[in-house]
Amino acid sequence: EAGVAQSPRYKIIEKRQSVAFWCNPISGHATLYWYQQILGQGPKLLIQFQNNGVVDDSQLPKDRFSAERLKGVDSTLKIQPAKLEDSAVYLCASSLVVPGTYNEQFFGPGTRLTVL
Amino acid sequence: GQQLNQSPQSMFIQEGEDVSMNCTSSSIFNTWLWYKQDPGEGPVLLIALYKAGELTSNGRLTAQFGITRKDSFLNISASIPSDVGIYFCAGQRGAAGNKLTFGGGTRVLVKP
Repeated sequence: EAGVAQSPRYKIIEKRQSVAFWCNPISGHATLYWYQQILGQGPKLLIQFQNNGVVDDSQLPKDRFSAERLKGVDSTLKIQPAKLEDSAVYLCASSLVVPGTYNEQFFGPGTRLTVL
Repeated sequence: GQQLNQSPQSMFIQEGEDVSMNCTSSSIFNTWLWYKQDPGEGPVLLIALYKAGELTSNGRLTAQFGITRKDSFLNISASIPSDVGIYFCAGQRGAAGNKLTFGGGTRVLVKP
């Protein structure tokens, strides 16, 4: 079974530029997550989708970050304009939705963003 | 916001040694999880714990869900070189699908 796919794997931009990341979840997984992982820290949830609806975006800096999952499958995360502190690995994860049980989140390899 | 404190932040292991790490929180969690992350990869789930006091093993790994629901620990027995990596604890408060709160990680390195 194919895992969570992300692209690009690496991106270097200058501050104030814009950037977009793409995620393709595991087939059949209704829930998709975007995490930000700053060097030396654990992942922090930015946004969670179930199908094409947003479940939780409480920690998404909405003045510069946006995300969409228009058809309930692939998702894109955009940063515009980027700041130096946005340098991090952006992880995408997906999970099934099975009521009454913990649904394991499967992570992609991440996109490493460097903002100069 | 919620914070999970992991300790130690880093440790050196020698092949064959047992290692332990733990995770504490100021808040109660209903599910505790332990992940391992290798360089250039996303975290991979090692063990999930669902009940206070639960002790669960996965091969050479053993993890426990603290009785207070505010802590958890992970043991690795008879460590081998491929145990090197970063181990994260994560807590989940509510029903399935709720977000995970991750600790800062324990970096396991090999003694030179």
